[in-house]
Amino acid sequence: DTGVSQDPRHKITKRGQNVTFRCDPISEHNRLYWYRQTLGQGPEFLTYFQNEAQLEKSRLLSDRFSAERPKGSFSTLEIQRTEQGDSAMYLCASRPSPGGPGEQYFGPGTRLTVT
Amino acid sequence: EDQVTQSPEALRLQEGESSSLNCSYTVSGLRGLFWYRQDPGKGPEFLFTLYSAGEEKEKERLKATLTKKESFLHITAPKPEDSATYLCAVGSGTYKYIFGTGTRLKVLA
Repeated sequence: DTGVSQDPRHKITKRGQNVTFRCDPISEHNRLYWYRQTLGQGPEFLTYFQNEAQLEKSRLLSDRFSAERPKGSFSTLEIQRTEQGDSAMYLCASRPSPGGPGEQYFGPGTRLTVT
Repeated sequence: EDQVTQSPEALRLQEGESSSLNCSYTVSGLRGLFWYRQDPGKGPEFLFTLYSAGEEKEKERLKATLTKKESFLHITAPKPEDSATYLCAVGSGTYKYIFGTGTRLKVLA
C-alpha cells in the first residue's frame, strides 16, 4: 500500500500525559499537513511542512503541541500535558511537490481519547 | 477572513433521487476548491479539484461545478454506497486549507 499511513490508529491516555503520533506520507510527496477533526466538524489546519521545514502553524496550536519532520520524510506530532479538549481525530495529509496538483491525500487518522 | 460554508448539514435521499450539495466560500485569491468524501472513522478521500469559475469535473454519479462564490456537488441517481460526509475545502493564504463542516448524505435503498 502506497498511501499515507498513521500510527497508532487509536490512543487512550490520561489527562496530563504526553502523546506522540507518527505520519508516513506518500514517498514522492514533499508537502505534509496535520489537521485535527472533532465530531461533526471539518478538518482544522494545525501545521504544514515543506520537506523538513515547518512553514506554517495555526494560531490555535498551543505551545503544548509540537511537530517535527526530520529529513523531510515521516513526521511526528506531540501533545504534552494532554487535556480532555484534545480528544479528537488527528489527520495527516500529503501533497505532491510544488507545481503539482493541489489536492491532499489523507491518512486514516489517529483517534485520541483523553480521560 | 477566509471562510467555507456548506449546506445542507444533512441530506436524506431515496435511491435514484438526484440532488445537489452547496459550498459557498469567501477567500482572497482562490488557490483551488477541493471536494472530499469521508466515511465514518476514516480520513477524507479526494474527489475533485476546481480552479476557475465555469470549470466542471465528473466522476461516476458525481459532478462538481464552480462559480466565483460557490461550488456545487451534483449527485445523479445516487446509490446507498454514496452515503458519506462530503467536505469542501479551499486553499487559503500561501499554505493553508480551510474545510467546511460537511454535508452528511444518507441514501436510502
